[in-house]
Amino acid sequence: EVQLVESGGGWVQPGGSLRLSCSASGFTFGDYAMHWVRQVPGKGLEWVSGINWESAGIRYADSVKGRFTISRDNAKNSLYLQMNSLRPEDTAFYYCTKDTRREADPYSFDLWGQGTLVTVSS
Amino acid sequence: QSVLTQPPSVSGAPGQSVTISCTGGSSNVGAGYDVHWYQQLPGSAPRLVIYGNINRPSGVPGRFSGSKSGTSASLAISGLQAEDEADYYCQSYDNRLGGSVFGGGTQLTVL
Repeated sequence: EVQLVESGGGWVQPGGSLRLSCSASGFTFGDYAMHWVRQVPGKGLEWVSGINWESAGIRYADSVKGRFTISRDNAKNSLYLQMNSLRPEDTAFYYCTKDTRREADPYSFDLWGQGTLVTVSS
Repeated sequence: QSVLTQPPSVSGAPGQSVTISCTGGSSNVGAGYDVHWYQQLPGSAPRLVIYGNINRPSGVPGRFSGSKSGTSASLAISGLQAEDEADYYCQSYDNRLGGSVFGGGTQLTVL
């Protein structure tokens, strides 16, 4: 089955860290760029970060630059998001998404995980 | 304030047609970057319904169509069905921001 499954979400205090993981199956993971997109409950979508097929190209939204780090392991069909210095405004559902292209500059996202909720609160 | 502007809501009766607009600027849609559309059913992850302005992924009904002109794009849904009731988002690339941008979303109500 073609799917993406996120894990690692949860509650964390402001200033804390969390690492999200995304496990891919049913397609050749190493052939595509991957991205993280987040959504505050009840609000719109926000692109967070993207990584190209071979980890040579990486992009971040200004809102997370310097605090979040995206990475991937093609041998394990896995995508990661290391989130440091978390803020209350980072509270959201985080979706792992597959790009239709190889390069880090985001194009269109044709496969989405179910999302994992990150809550940043004291 | 989203970079791409969509109407907050649209509605139509079953069988009718609706159009959702998406307006950008010179660093995104107007710069020639493609527009893509997503459907998000309540409690679900988004689903790609139009990519590259006009193309439908396999499995998306032919009732969904897209267009683009200048700094704007549109998603049209004909023959509305109750199952089309969802939030719809447009998305493009912005060369000033160096990443992807989304519209604020449009809630479609099937009356």
